[in-house]
Amino acid sequence: NAGVIQTPRHKVTGKGQEATLWCEPISGHSAVFWYRQTIVQGLEFLTYFRNQAPIDDSGMPKERFSAQMPNQSHSTLKIQSTQPQDSAVYLCASSFSGGASQNTLYFGAGTRLSVL
Amino acid sequence: GDSVTQTEGPVTLSEGTSLTVNCSYETKQYPTLFWYVQYPGEGPQLLFKVPKANEKGSNRGFEATYNKEATSFHLQKASVQESDSAVYYCSPLASSSFSKLVFGQGTSLSVVP
Repeated sequence: NAGVIQTPRHKVTGKGQEATLWCEPISGHSAVFWYRQTIVQGLEFLTYFRNQAPIDDSGMPKERFSAQMPNQSHSTLKIQSTQPQDSAVYLCASSFSGGASQNTLYFGAGTRLSVL
Repeated sequence: GDSVTQTEGPVTLSEGTSLTVNCSYETKQYPTLFWYVQYPGEGPQLLFKVPKANEKGSNRGFEATYNKEATSFHLQKASVQESDSAVYYCSPLASSSFSKLVFGQGTSLSVVP
């Protein structure tokens, strides 16, 4: 089991460019979560899918950010017109189910986005 | 919504000394409590979790007791090692919350020889 795979590990974009981040959850896991990590804010929840359906996107910035899960084997986080304040480590996690309080999140190593 | 307050870091300790990382949480529901650890260059990973009040969780020499009355879940280790250098996150997951884990700010620990 390779764990949660995130690609790329590092991405550098110019201000105003688009960035797409990829996540492959652990096979058999039904829930996928996206978090953003910065020194100032710590780990911030962005959005969550269960069985590929969007469940909670309350942490997503209303503009420029979108997430999809077209199939059970991958999810994408897209940031349009990137800004320097979007620079962060973006973490994807999966779990067996998002509905039970005992479930454990398995995180990928993250994608470090740097917006110049 | 749910919130977590942890010991503010960074914390620097010498090998062999004891560690306490305070964690206090606010949640409307009766939560499961988690400690996650994040090593440099990696994503967070579960250290241990405790689903019931007044029970203790432990792993790798770390332990924490779920104190429902005080709404606390302090992390302790009697003797830290250099390999324990990492960021530690406390998180409550409310039993009725079918979504996200809310994390505290994290506590960065550096253990020096």
